[in-house]
Amino acid sequence: GAVVSQHPSWVICKSGTSVKIECRSLDFQATTMFWYRQFPKQSLMLMATSNEGSKATYEQGVEKDKFLINHASLTLSTLTVTSAHPEDSSFYICSARGTEGYTFGSGTRLTVV
Amino acid sequence: AQSVTQPDIHITVSEGASLELRCNYSYGATPYLFWYVQSPGQGLQLLLKYFSGDTLVQGIKGFEAEFKRSQSSFNLRKPSVHWSDAAEYFCAVGPMEYGNKLVFGAGTILRVKS
Repeated sequence: GAVVSQHPSWVICKSGTSVKIECRSLDFQATTMFWYRQFPKQSLMLMATSNEGSKATYEQGVEKDKFLINHASLTLSTLTVTSAHPEDSSFYICSARGTEGYTFGSGTRLTVV
Repeated sequence: AQSVTQPDIHITVSEGASLELRCNYSYGATPYLFWYVQSPGQGLQLLLKYFSGDTLVQGIKGFEAEFKRSQSSFNLRKPSVHWSDAAEYFCAVGPMEYGNKLVFGAGTILRVKS
C-alpha cells in the first residue's frame, strides 16, 4: 500500500532557529501534498497545500513567510519553520494524495525552547 | 461549504461491546469519505474509505462503515471492541478530484474499559 515517510519524528530546537521537516511518498508519486498542524486534543488544521513545481497554497491565517513549503519533486515536500518560537511548538503531519486516497505521515513533534 | 460533524467528543465502551462512532457530513458533490485512527503521538492510519459502489465498507482491524446518502452519514462500527482500539478516530470528507483537500471532523476519543 501507499506509504508516506515523515522525518524527523521529533525535534527540539532553540527559539530563533529554523527547522526543516521532510515528507516523502515512498512508493507512489504525489503531485499534491498537504501539511497539517495539530494542537493537543484537537483535530488537524490544514496549513497549506503543496503542489509539485509550483507555489504552495496557504490557508487563511497561516504565515507563508514563517512556514516555507517546497515541493521540488513528485515524492518530496518539505516544511521549514523559520525563526521558530515556542508558540510554534506543535505536532505537524503531512499527507500525500495518491490513487488510493490520502496517506499520512507519522507526524513530527516540534518543541521550541 | 464542506463540513464534517462528529457529535461525540468522547465515547467509553466496555471491552467486547459493540461500537458505533457517528459522522455526518455536508458536501455539495459526490464525496470521498474516510475514517482514520490516531494513537497518541502518531500519524493517522486509514481504517477504511468509501468512493462508490457498495455502501457498506469493510476496513482493517474489524471495522466497517455504512454510507447513507439520505442521512449524509458515514458511521463507523465494530461488533466487538478490543482494548487496543482505544485511540482517537477522525472522519473526513474529500473531493474526487486530485489536488483538493480533506475536511476533518473534530475527532472522537474512544476509551475502552476492561
